[in-house]
Amino acid sequence: SYGLTQPLSVSVALGQTARITCGGNNIGGKEVHWYQQRPGQAPMLVIYRDINRPSGVPERFSGSNSDDTATLTISRAQAGDEADYYCQVWDGSTRVFGTGTKVNVL
Amino acid sequence: EVQLVQSGAEVKKPGESLKISCKGSGYSFSTYWIGWVRQMPGKGLEWMGIIYPGDSDTRYSPSFQGHVIISVDKSINTAFLQWTSLKASDTAIYYCARPDRSGHFTAALDVWGPGTMVTVSS
Repeated sequence: SYGLTQPLSVSVALGQTARITCGGNNIGGKEVHWYQQRPGQAPMLVIYRDINRPSGVPERFSGSNSDDTATLTISRAQAGDEADYYCQVWDGSTRVFGTGTKVNVL
Repeated sequence: EVQLVQSGAEVKKPGESLKISCKGSGYSFSTYWIGWVRQMPGKGLEWMGIIYPGDSDTRYSPSFQGHVIISVDKSINTAFLQWTSLKASDTAIYYCARPDRSGHFTAALDVWGPGTMVTVSS
């Protein structure tokens, strides 16, 4: 089955840039979606189809996808960005979530 | 406002049955797939399956096929997730979620319910 690998955690200083990677075999050929999950809350879509931001998501959130790695970038990190982040693709017959990354804002 | 409202927390014993619900409002319920996602305590998101209310077409993740039943009653805009015999390992939060494009079950999940906590313990 298709696997998506994310770093367990990423730390970023307030106001700096965090990059969260999502590794998968030829993930560049798939559409990648990213979800943010704050503690005690349901997940929320922050990037869809690699690079698109839903209405209401700050421009500080951006995505890219190429070869074997997709990346979610959070610019000018804020305290409210501290959360778990999951990448997700559709692989043939099933939806696959990444392992999840905890973003710590210092 | 588009929203998914889920049924309340449940505490069950191993071997018992359970059916939890997810009611959609604010959109054309019959034309959007509804999916289910499991999150075990302290763990990540796991895809369970998805159903199309228009004709009850259902696609299960291989990991959950045969372990749960996904159903829908479009007359009351509600999807269901059901167990016939719960195990302690079914303890988790269960989210329902809707793709962002009508008729597309592979689309991004842009509307999520608040989750239903299911605790299975003797």
